[in-house]
Amino acid sequence: NAGVTQTPKFRILKIGQSMTLQCTQDMNHNYMYWYRQDPGMGLKLIYYSVGAGITDKGEVPNGYNVSRSTTEDFPLRLELAAPSQTSVYFCASSFRGETQYFGPGTRLLVL
Amino acid sequence: DQQVKQNSPSLSVQEGRISILNCDYTNSMFDYFLWYKKYPAEGPTFLISISSIKDKNEDGRFTVFLNKSAKHLSLHIVPSQPGDSAVYFCAASDPKDYKLSFGAGTTVTVRA
Repeated sequence: NAGVTQTPKFRILKIGQSMTLQCTQDMNHNYMYWYRQDPGMGLKLIYYSVGAGITDKGEVPNGYNVSRSTTEDFPLRLELAAPSQTSVYFCASSFRGETQYFGPGTRLLVL
Repeated sequence: DQQVKQNSPSLSVQEGRISILNCDYTNSMFDYFLWYKKYPAEGPTFLISISSIKDKNEDGRFTVFLNKSAKHLSLHIVPSQPGDSAVYFCAASDPKDYKLSFGAGTTVTVRA
């Protein structure tokens, strides 16, 4: 099992550009999550999904969108990138919602 | 409003000694608590967890203690090893939606 994989590992965006962060898990987990981590801070939940076709907002959803068309994939879309979205993004999954397993992260720099 | 707090941003300990990491929470509805370990440029990895119906859970060198009345949990690492140098995050799960709330992390440095 590869677990949770994320692409790309690193990206530089210009202000106003858009991009999609990819996340795939091969553990047949129902729950998937997107977090961001800023320096010296804990992880903050952006969006989450409890199954294909079902998504909901987390603590910091503004400026992001998600979709969940399959169990395996949970892409995160950034529209009109802003410097405040410079962060490290982590995708996670869990079977029933308790212990979450994380991907390696995507480092995003918006200039 | 931060519901999970790790008040010590860093901890330095000598190899072979005990590392004690602390975590406080405010939401009495949390029923499951986890510790994650994170190395630079990697994602957090699950370390150990405890249900609110227990007060202790042990896994090798790692033990987590839960004091529900004080809304406090701690992670003990005995003996500490150089490979334990990492950032440790405390997290708590809300049973109504299974969202995790994370503390800000404690950076542990194990000195040779």
